[in-house]
Amino acid sequence: AQTVTQSQPEMSVQEAETVTLSCTYDTSENNYYLFWYKQPPSRQMILVIRQEAYKQQNATENRFSVNFQKAAKSFSLKISDSQLGDTAMYFCAFMTPATQGGSEKLVFGKGTKLTVNP
Amino acid sequence: DTGVSQNPRHKITKRGQNVTFRCDPISEHNRLYWYRQTLGQGPEFLTYFQNEAQLEKSRLLSDRFSAERPKGSFSTLEIQRTEQGDSAMYLCASSLRGKSSYEQYFGPGTRLTVT
Repeated sequence: AQTVTQSQPEMSVQEAETVTLSCTYDTSENNYYLFWYKQPPSRQMILVIRQEAYKQQNATENRFSVNFQKAAKSFSLKISDSQLGDTAMYFCAFMTPATQGGSEKLVFGKGTKLTVNP
Repeated sequence: DTGVSQNPRHKITKRGQNVTFRCDPISEHNRLYWYRQTLGQGPEFLTYFQNEAQLEKSRLLSDRFSAERPKGSFSTLEIQRTEQGDSAMYLCASSLRGKSSYEQYFGPGTRLTVT
């Protein structure tokens, strides 16, 4: 069974600075997808960034980028130029696509609560 | 595209009562997922549907839980004889099978409190 571990329950960063959230996972699959989802207080979860395991290039989305280390099974999220609106719970998630026999369900870590301070 | 909606947003019930939640996915999405999130935890998978077929159920889904998706549109999740341990946020998500992004779109959730 796949597991996802986020070792930082809480983090804080000053506005405009850079912060990195850690995530490790365990799987025997070779093809899979990794996601970072953001859950703002009292608001619904939204996708931040996605990485396909077969792509060596790290994904980037504006101020958000990942450091994907497949051999180490590590998938960290870097947020540059942090903004107050980045304050949220951040969840790392793993998924095996159905073409590989998977159910496409998301397996989530416990989350990291990020606070951006003014 | 109005997003995924869930009703009710909050539900308080007494132990032993039955409750039903509704999820309306994004209209063209053929996959629908239910997750449960307890305080301080990430969401945990409960079940999912492709169109009207329920393709997988987690072992977390005891026989007191039942989910349906008639006609492949909205879905309902019913909990019978609720227990205090059922208190949680119940999240619904939808996606479009065949879309390479595999993104799941989440609703706002239904927060259940069992007293």
